[in-house]
Amino acid sequence: KQEVTQIPAALSVPEGENLVLNCSFTDSAIYNLQWFRQDPGKGLTSLLLIQSSQREQTSGRLNASLDKSSGRSTLYIAASQPGDSATYLCAVRPDGTASKLTFGTGTRLQVTL
Amino acid sequence: EPEVTQTPSHQVTQMGQEVILRCVPISNHLYFYWYRQILGQKVEFLVSFYNNEISEKSEIFDDRFSVERPDGSNFTLKIRSTKLEDSAMYFCASNLGAGTGELFFGEGSRLTVL
Repeated sequence: KQEVTQIPAALSVPEGENLVLNCSFTDSAIYNLQWFRQDPGKGLTSLLLIQSSQREQTSGRLNASLDKSSGRSTLYIAASQPGDSATYLCAVRPDGTASKLTFGTGTRLQVTL
Repeated sequence: EPEVTQTPSHQVTQMGQEVILRCVPISNHLYFYWYRQILGQKVEFLVSFYNNEISEKSEIFDDRFSVERPDGSNFTLKIRSTKLEDSAMYFCASNLGAGTGELFFGEGSRLTVL
């Protein structure tokens, strides 16, 4: 059974810092990995999708990498801003299924002034 | 920008009652999903739906749960005989096709069972 773990559970950084969020998964047979942002009491906003054949994806200040063989992904946020404060979730989609995602518990990020 | 919309945003019901949560997926998407998130816990898969039938469901999706696409735009989740443990945020999601993979989620419907 696929297990997805995110470390750290919570992180507080001052504005302007670069930071890395970690995601690990136990079964490397994945089709893709998706990073989401969740604001308190809100839905999930897709940030980046990395296919299993890719090593990284970039969108603005966000860069996600994937090392499928070691079961790891990182989300790098450059020049953090208070508006980046949210919970960040990673989710993996196994090979051979439609789109049943398995989610991690998330990293709660706070960017302070 | 196209988005997944859900109603109601919050529903309170008595244990044993039936609830229907509604979703309007992105218009050209073909795959539809329900996920749920109990407060403080992980987001969990409930069911996927394609071509007017369930393609996959989790063990959470017992016979009290059902989904329907009654017309060309709506996708509903019905929960009969609600239990206290059904209290959660329910998210609808859709994507264009299994090959593309990127899921788009709605804002969620918070269900409180008393």
